[in-house]
Amino acid sequence: DAGVIQSPRHEVTEMGQEVTLRCKPISGHNSLFWYRQTMMRGLELLIYFNNNVPIDDSGMPEDRFSAKMPNASFSTLKIQPSEPRDSAVYFCASSLLAFSSYNEQFFGPGTRLTVL
Amino acid sequence: AQKVTQAQTEISVVEKEDVTLDCVYETRDTTYYLFWYKQPPSGELVFLIRRNSFDEQNEISGRYSWNFQKSTSSFNFTITASQVVDSAVYFCALSNGNKLVFGAGTILRVKS
Repeated sequence: DAGVIQSPRHEVTEMGQEVTLRCKPISGHNSLFWYRQTMMRGLELLIYFNNNVPIDDSGMPEDRFSAKMPNASFSTLKIQPSEPRDSAVYFCASSLLAFSSYNEQFFGPGTRLTVL
Repeated sequence: AQKVTQAQTEISVVEKEDVTLDCVYETRDTTYYLFWYKQPPSGELVFLIRRNSFDEQNEISGRYSWNFQKSTSSFNFTITASQVVDSAVYFCALSNGNKLVFGAGTILRVKS
């Protein structure tokens, strides 16, 4: 079975540009999570969806960040406009059951974003 | 508030040594789950183990073992006879509801 798929794997852009990160969760999983990893702040949860509905976006740093999940097999994280401090590795993860502490989360390979 | 502390920022050992990674957590909940993840140099996060708050039995899986002590709010991870391939960043995490709260991670370097 395919794991969580993220694209692109690497993105280099200039400050002010729009960036869109994409994620395909594991088929049949009902929860999807977006994380950001930096040296300074470690792994931070940005937002998560249960059954395609955003449940908690308290980790989204500011209005420049937005996330959507139009269907069970696709999600996007958009940054507009991007800034150098957004440079990080962005991970998408999915888990089987919604509203459950029990399930482990399966992580994608990450997108390494560099904003110049 | 929930919090996970991994006090060891970096550990270096020589191959075949045993090594223990510490994890201390804080939560007011009575039901919760604890996890360990491994992040090798390739960057992906790999699930290692899940433990629920009602199960304090230690667990062993090959060279890996986990010691959960509710009395000290600790969930430590031991690698026996470490190998170079164990070099990675290891994260401890706490779950309540749907969310995972991660510790800062411990960098493990195993030298040959």
